[in-house]
Amino acid sequence: GESVGLHLPTLSVQEGDNSIINCAYSNSASDYFIWYKQESGKGPQFIIDIRSNMDKRQGQRVTVLLNKTVKHLSLQIAATQPGDSAVYFCAEREGTNAGKSTFGDGTTLTVKP
Amino acid sequence: EAGVAQSPRYKIIEKRQSVAFWCNPISGHATLYWYQQILGQGPKLLIQFQNNGVVDDSQLPKDRFSAERLKGVDSTLKIQPAKLEDSAVYLCASSLTIGVDEKLFFGSGTQLSVL
Repeated sequence: GESVGLHLPTLSVQEGDNSIINCAYSNSASDYFIWYKQESGKGPQFIIDIRSNMDKRQGQRVTVLLNKTVKHLSLQIAATQPGDSAVYFCAEREGTNAGKSTFGDGTTLTVKP
Repeated sequence: EAGVAQSPRYKIIEKRQSVAFWCNPISGHATLYWYQQILGQGPKLLIQFQNNGVVDDSQLPKDRFSAERLKGVDSTLKIQPAKLEDSAVYLCASSLTIGVDEKLFFGSGTQLSVL
């Protein structure tokens, strides 16, 4: 069967390696998904989003993959840098109201030099 | 462009005391949100305003929490009386309006410790 990435609360990678952060969502009717980065002492910051009619979207050094069959979302960071160290949250939303976003459990990414 | 401003950055109070937080959204943003973020968890929406009207306050513990946005710009969130379980970071966010793909812009939050 198809493997589903597990959500890990912490992830440690070597500088320059690629990082993969996984997220499972709960609402099959969610049609919009967002990844946020939260650095220590700051609020969450938008990284990348994807709509449910897509399965992949690329940004600068980041790629989001969406698997609606198993309700799974992942964030891939290429050539991870020390500045990428932060807590990463996925959020799901049904409809157009951003206030209806439900945030998942965060993953703390630590990048070792 | 200035971001979402919040104050104070930190607050320490004893249980049963009251506390207030202030937020100034990005200029021109009609929608304002207050979130509670408990350590290790994602933010949870408390209340959402569109201009000076409440859109959603279903998750706001109204027996102790109140919020207002009287002139449709800045906003205050109050807790009275505070409980130990209110210890959290209170985040304010704003967005241009309510619409497809609207992005949230968060402030740095107020870290509240209730002793």
